[in-house]
Amino acid sequence: KNQVEQSPQSLIILEGKNCTLQCNYTVSPFSNLRWYKQDTGRGPVSLTIMTFSENTKSNGRYTATLDADTKQSSLHITASQLSDSASYICVVSADDYKLSFGAGTTVTVRA
Amino acid sequence: GAGVSQSPRYKVAKRGQDVALRCDPISGHVSLFWYQQALGQGPEFLTYFQNEAQLDKSGLPSDRFFAERPEGSVSTLKIQRTQQEDSAVYLCASSHRTGTLVGDTQYFGPGTRLTVL
Repeated sequence: KNQVEQSPQSLIILEGKNCTLQCNYTVSPFSNLRWYKQDTGRGPVSLTIMTFSENTKSNGRYTATLDADTKQSSLHITASQLSDSASYICVVSADDYKLSFGAGTTVTVRA
Repeated sequence: GAGVSQSPRYKVAKRGQDVALRCDPISGHVSLFWYQQALGQGPEFLTYFQNEAQLDKSGLPSDRFFAERPEGSVSTLKIQRTQQEDSAVYLCASSHRTGTLVGDTQYFGPGTRLTVL
């Protein structure tokens, strides 16, 4: 039933390495897609937002891509830091007020 | 503070007790949302307010759940006769408009972690 699927469920990377998170969605109609970062014990914080016409968006070391034809998105983290340890949630919105959340990918960065 | 605040941050209730969770949205935000987040899952929509009007409560799991925003600012989520399956983090978010369009964002509070024993 979940319209937003994320993979992997979790991953562990060494500090300084890169990683890529995946998101597939079936939400329709589509308005925009966001990636949120949720630190443990905190609420989600928006990292990037992309509309149908955008296929890439960067925010510092975070780069998101969107393929609206295949309904896939990715979030790439470059040169990871310990502070990147968090859950990353893919969120898709239609034309109304409801957001559809993925289950998130838990990223653990180790020194 | 400038962000969304929630209280209490943690609540432990015995099964059958009533609880009330509070949300203070960002000043001036028209829209307010409540979400339920189970462990290891993304948030699930519960209810939506535009000012004091509750426009959508379709996500509330049962009639034990009740939310209000009487003056269009602070909101309270009340759960009556709590059950173990109510254990979750309850997130509140606010936005200028609906928070789903470009240029408008839902800002989340830190959540209230409810544990029902």
